[in-house]
Order: sequence, then structure tokens, then C-alpha cells
Amino acid sequence: GAVVSQHPSRVICKSGTSVKIECRSLDFQATTMFWYRQFPKQSLMLMATSNEGSKATYEQGVEKDKFLINHASLTLSTLTVTSAHPEDSSFYICSATTDPANSGYTFGSGTRLTVV
Amino acid sequence: GQQVMQIPQYQHVQEGEDFTTYCNSSTTLSNIQWYKQRPGGHPVFLIQLVKSGEVKKQKRLTFQFGEAKKNSSLHITATQTTDVGTYFCAGGGTGNQFYFGTGTSLTVIP
Repeated sequence: GAVVSQHPSRVICKSGTSVKIECRSLDFQATTMFWYRQFPKQSLMLMATSNEGSKATYEQGVEKDKFLINHASLTLSTLTVTSAHPEDSSFYICSATTDPANSGYTFGSGTRLTVV
Repeated sequence: GQQVMQIPQYQHVQEGEDFTTYCNSSTTLSNIQWYKQRPGGHPVFLIQLVKSGEVKKQKRLTFQFGEAKKNSSLHITATQTTDVGTYFCAGGGTGNQFYFGTGTSLTVIP
């Protein structure tokens, strides 16, 4: 089945620095990937749709200059949290699919970001 | 994005009891998916429903999609401790996006 790898699984950074999170489709090509954010004991909030070779589509209220998304290849999308602040601390998770109707979306294992 | 609400937010059941979570959307959905997320884990796909009034079963799990395609339910018969986790519905948007419901956290007491 489809496998999505996300790295790093945990990261701690200082306020004001930037953090890059990688999402890779290991055994399939993903023209589209999705980035979500999840606060403790809350739902997944769709942040943006990452499109290979073009600009990402951001959901309303998500700052595109704050959360930079690059989808330079069919197997890699990156999310960069720029000038991170403590309120950016959260669980970030990506997803992709080969067959949404039958196998749904496969999620990466997520990245726990802590900004100190 | 779409507003997808789930009730209840939390549910504690004795092992062997049944469990149901309900999903309601403010808009008509093209389709709906259900996911299970274990504590500390990531969401795992369970099923997709597309047709109005559709009912699908997976062993002890029964999924329904409402006639108006604005609501859905997941029913678990005779819960087991392995059923513990948070169950999310996710409604399909205009593109390939899916908007997750608020989730129902299930605790099964042995």
C-alpha cells in the first residue's frame, strides 16, 4: 500500500528560527499532497494543498508567507514554518493518496513542533 | 472550509457495549471518509461513502451516509479495547481536499 514518510518526527526550535518539514511518498507519485495542523485533543485542520510544480493552495486564515510550501517533485513536499513563535507549536501532518475512493488518504507519521 | 461537526466529543463505554458517532456538515458533501486515530498516532483510513443513503459494513463497524449527503454515522457493535481512539469523519470538498470533523474520542472500559 501507499506509504508516506514524514521527517522529522519531533523538532524543538528557538523563537525566530525557521523549521522545514519533509513529506515523501515512498512508493508512489503524488501530484497533490495535503498539510494539516492538529492541536492536542482537537481535529485536523487543513492548512494547504500542495501541488507539484505549481503554487500551493492555502485555506482561509492560513498565512502563506508564514507557512511556505514547496512541492518540487512528485514524491516530495516540504512545509517551512518561518520565523517560528511559540503559538506555532503544534502537530503538523501531511497526507497523499493514489486511490482516494478505495484506500483513502495516507498520512505521514506527523511532526511535533515545539517552539521555545 | 466546510464546517463538519461530530457528536459526541467524548464517549466512554463498557467493553461489549455499542458505540455511535454522528457527523453533520453545513453543506452537501460529495463524499465522506472515516478515519481512526490512536493516541499519539496518525489518522488511518477506514472507509469512503459516496452514494446518498449508502451503508457499508466492516466486521463490527457500520457506516451510513445520509440521504441528503449532509450527515453520516459510524456504529460499532460490541466494542473491544482495541477500538479505543478518536474517530474522525472527513467531508470531501470541491477539489480533492477533505475537511475533518471535530472527532469523537472513544474510551472502552474493560
